[in-house]
Amino acid sequence: QVQLVESGGGVVQPGGSLRLSCAASGFTFSSYGMHWVRQAPGKGLEWVAFIRYDGSNKYYADSVKGRFTISRDNSKNTLYLQMNSLRAEDTAVYYCAKDLWGQGTLVTVSS
Amino acid sequence: DVVMTQSPLSLPVTLGQPASISCRSSQSLVYSDGNTYLNWFQQRPGQSPRRLIYKVSNRDSGVPDRFSGSGSGTDFTLKISRVEAEDVGVYYCMQGTHWPPRWTFGQGTKVEIK
Repeated sequence: QVQLVESGGGVVQPGGSLRLSCAASGFTFSSYGMHWVRQAPGKGLEWVAFIRYDGSNKYYADSVKGRFTISRDNSKNTLYLQMNSLRAEDTAVYYCAKDLWGQGTLVTVSS
Repeated sequence: DVVMTQSPLSLPVTLGQPASISCRSSQSLVYSDGNTYLNWFQQRPGQSPRRLIYKVSNRDSGVPDRFSGSGSGTDFTLKISRVEAEDVGVYYCMQGTHWPPRWTFGQGTKVEIK
């Protein structure tokens, strides 16, 4: 069945880095643009980044521009989010999504 | 940037009764292809969001027909004809019309049983 499975979350110190992965299955991954969306604890949904189906264009929320990089490997059916210079306010559950959403992976930025 | 405004933010409802959530956008959501990319999501407690409605009024596969979406331009509504216990959660509207492609969400409406 169609599935998105995120991984790579964890606890990281302010200023640190983390790379999230999203493994896709059950559909032609290389045909779809993909998004990352995050949700801080007890808060609403915030769009983070988008990448076109072929990786040719990438777009970011102002809050993460210059610090986060979205990428994909269509040969591995996998979406990535490289997160650098992490801040406390980046603490959230991170979801990969198209029409379907994954279960999310929790990123906690704390000293 | 497009701003999505939902009301109410909290909606206590009686089982079996109808419920309605409003979503307004600061700009028209009609895209150049004629489609309106306004979606509704449900997030049950402890779960990830699930899309219920896409392009204003189209139900996703497996979504009960008690859920319906309507509206046009800047004003949209999600209706639940008869609320069931499993409908408890937070509902978000989201626009996907405006470029560059960035989703914009409403603040969320928390539906709970009275």
